[in-house]
Amino acid sequence: GAGVSQSPRYKVAKRGQDVALRCDPISGHVSLFWYQQALGQGPEFLTYFQNEAQLDKSGLPSDRFFAERPEGSVSTLKIQRTQQEDSAVYLCASARGMNTEAFFGQGTRLTVV
Amino acid sequence: KQEVTQIPAALSVPEGENLVLNCSFTDSAIYNLQWFRQDPGKGLTSLLLIQSSQREQTSGRLNASLDKSSGRSTLYIAASQPGDSATYLCAVPTSGTYKYIFGTGTRLKVLA
Repeated sequence: GAGVSQSPRYKVAKRGQDVALRCDPISGHVSLFWYQQALGQGPEFLTYFQNEAQLDKSGLPSDRFFAERPEGSVSTLKIQRTQQEDSAVYLCASARGMNTEAFFGQGTRLTVV
Repeated sequence: KQEVTQIPAALSVPEGENLVLNCSFTDSAIYNLQWFRQDPGKGLTSLLLIQSSQREQTSGRLNASLDKSSGRSTLYIAASQPGDSATYLCAVPTSGTYKYIFGTGTRLKVLA
């Protein structure tokens, strides 16, 4: 595709509900990142994939957060039993490889009520 | 641990001014540095990527410089326009990794 696509753009979840956020990276991009951005802050790293391998998940805040990229293209970030502190914008980025320009999607704004 | 600071946090200027946004980082062992623009409620748009071996990059009215030894980068915007109003973020990968660490950004408002 022309750019990184994320869906849904907005998600309202009741506390305790599970959510799944989707990222379609730029075709052929090996690297895929997930970031979390709180209001007024810069994005914070969550996890990184190289193809289908999740090489780093050190930024995931708790074991309620889970990410996968089973075929090395589309990725899903799943949050189980959502809490109010999970409310944020979740950004996905892809890059051709390491040390290359990263391109971000529009993000998914998650609001937990 | 890499820390990235951006100064000023906010800036309001009249249209036509040339301006400089600053980014500093604590760990100079970086692969590259990338400048992004973020409009309200939107994702990040890549503006410029400077490799660690480069001193500067230019794109249109934008010029970014990198001084690794002092841990600084500047983004120069020439002849600012109201359409430049946005938050500008710089990001550097932590030493030996690909994880980008972001600053908190500079909120720029260009007045018509």
